[in-house]
Amino acid sequence: AQSVAQPEDQVNVAEGNPLTVKCTYSVSGNPYLFWYVQYPNRGLQFLLKYITGDNLVKGSYGFEAEFNKSQTSFHLKKPSALVSDSALYFCALQTTGRRALTFGSGTRLQVQP
Amino acid sequence: GAGVSQTPSNKVTEKGKYVELRCDPISGHTALYWYRQSLGQGPEFLIYFQGTGAADDSGLPNDRFFAVRPEGSVSTLKIQRTERGDSAVYLCASSPSASNTEAFFGQGTRLTVV
Repeated sequence: AQSVAQPEDQVNVAEGNPLTVKCTYSVSGNPYLFWYVQYPNRGLQFLLKYITGDNLVKGSYGFEAEFNKSQTSFHLKKPSALVSDSALYFCALQTTGRRALTFGSGTRLQVQP
Repeated sequence: GAGVSQTPSNKVTEKGKYVELRCDPISGHTALYWYRQSLGQGPEFLIYFQGTGAADDSGLPNDRFFAVRPEGSVSTLKIQRTERGDSAVYLCASSPSASNTEAFFGQGTRLTVV
């Protein structure tokens, strides 16, 4: 069985500081990894994905994520947080031959001015 | 262009009643997904359509849940004999046919069973 863990329910960071939202996964086979963001009263929005190749993936709004196979992690990062980044972030996993996404439980990011 | 549209945005129904939730995917997207999101949790997969056929329905919790996509575009999720535990936000998503592409999500239908 495959699973995604987001160990932090909430992350607090000051505006302008770097942020990290953690994600680890468990799967047999090669993973395809995604980050989505959910703003209040809006649908889930795609941020970035890792399929293959370079372990550092760059996405929307200045976000990036690093795939680490040995640690089975895919942490989301941003060098300088904005108040507008405050939202609910979900890590998700897909595997070869199956289109369904397995989501983590989400991490609420709160950026303080 | 238009995104994924779900109607209604909110639905309140009595326990035991039948409900239908509608999803209009992005035009040209052959893949369509239904997920269910309970409060404080991530979305949980229900069913995936490729064209008109259900390619993976392994996430449907029981036989009270059924979904159709008769013309390969609009999809309807049907829930019979609703229970209070069915209360959740039901999310629809669509994507192009190729695998490993990101899915585009609608805003969801919030179902409350009283």
